[in-house]
Amino acid sequence: AQSVTQLGSHVSVSEGALVLLRCNYSSSVPPYLFWYVQYPNQGLQLLLKYTTGATLVKGINGFEAEFKKSETSFHLTKPSAHMSDAAEYFCAVSADTGRRALTFGSGTRLQVQP
Amino acid sequence: NAGVTQTPKFQVLKTGQSMTLQCAQDMNHEYMSWYRQDPGMGLRLIHYSVGAGITDQGEVPNGYNVSRSTTEDFPLRLLSAAPSQTSVYFCASKKGAARTDTQYFGPGTRLTVL
Repeated sequence: AQSVTQLGSHVSVSEGALVLLRCNYSSSVPPYLFWYVQYPNQGLQLLLKYTTGATLVKGINGFEAEFKKSETSFHLTKPSAHMSDAAEYFCAVSADTGRRALTFGSGTRLQVQP
Repeated sequence: NAGVTQTPKFQVLKTGQSMTLQCAQDMNHEYMSWYRQDPGMGLRLIHYSVGAGITDQGEVPNGYNVSRSTTEDFPLRLLSAAPSQTSVYFCASKKGAARTDTQYFGPGTRLTVL
C-alpha cells in the first residue's frame, strides 16, 4: 500500500521569499518520489525525482527536495520565489510494484505575491 | 518530438453518449497510462498498459475501456458518459515498467458531461 499527503492545499508567499511545500508518504516498499508542476491549463511537468543515492535532489527552476526516510518526508523548497513559480505542485510516489504507476497527493497551489 | 499528444482539448457530452479520447506518443515508450484529475484529489489511475496488446485496470476503471494495438496509441473510451465522469483526463507515457522511469504527461482533455 502507498499514499501521499500534501499539507496545505494553498500556500502563499511573497516574491523573493522561501518556498516550502510539504509532502509525506507512506509505503510498504522503498519508495521512489517525484515532484511535478502544473501550470494553468497545461499538463504535468517533472521538477525532480528521488530514486536512490543522494538524498538531496536538485531539480529544474531552482527547486530542490530532500528525502528523509526517518520522517517519511520529501519536502520541496526554493530559496527565493519568483512570480513565474505560481502553479500547482504535486508530490507522487512510485511504490506499487504491480501497476508500476504513480500515486499522487492532492496538490498544493502556490501563489506568489508581488 | 511532439511528446505525448491528446485530442480533443475540450469536449462536452450528454449523459449516455459515448466517445473516445485519443492519446499518442512518439518516444517509443512501452508504458502508457490514463489518469483523471479532480479538484482536491490529485490524479487517479484509470487504466494502464505495459506494451502493445497488454492493458490492465487502475484505481478507478469503471465506465472506461482501453486498448493498445500499437506502441504509439492508447485511446480511452467512455462507454456511456455520466456526470461523475466530468473531469480532466491526462495521458502519460514512460520508457518502461521500471518504477524509476519518468512519466511524461500530455496536455489533457477537459470533459464535461451534462
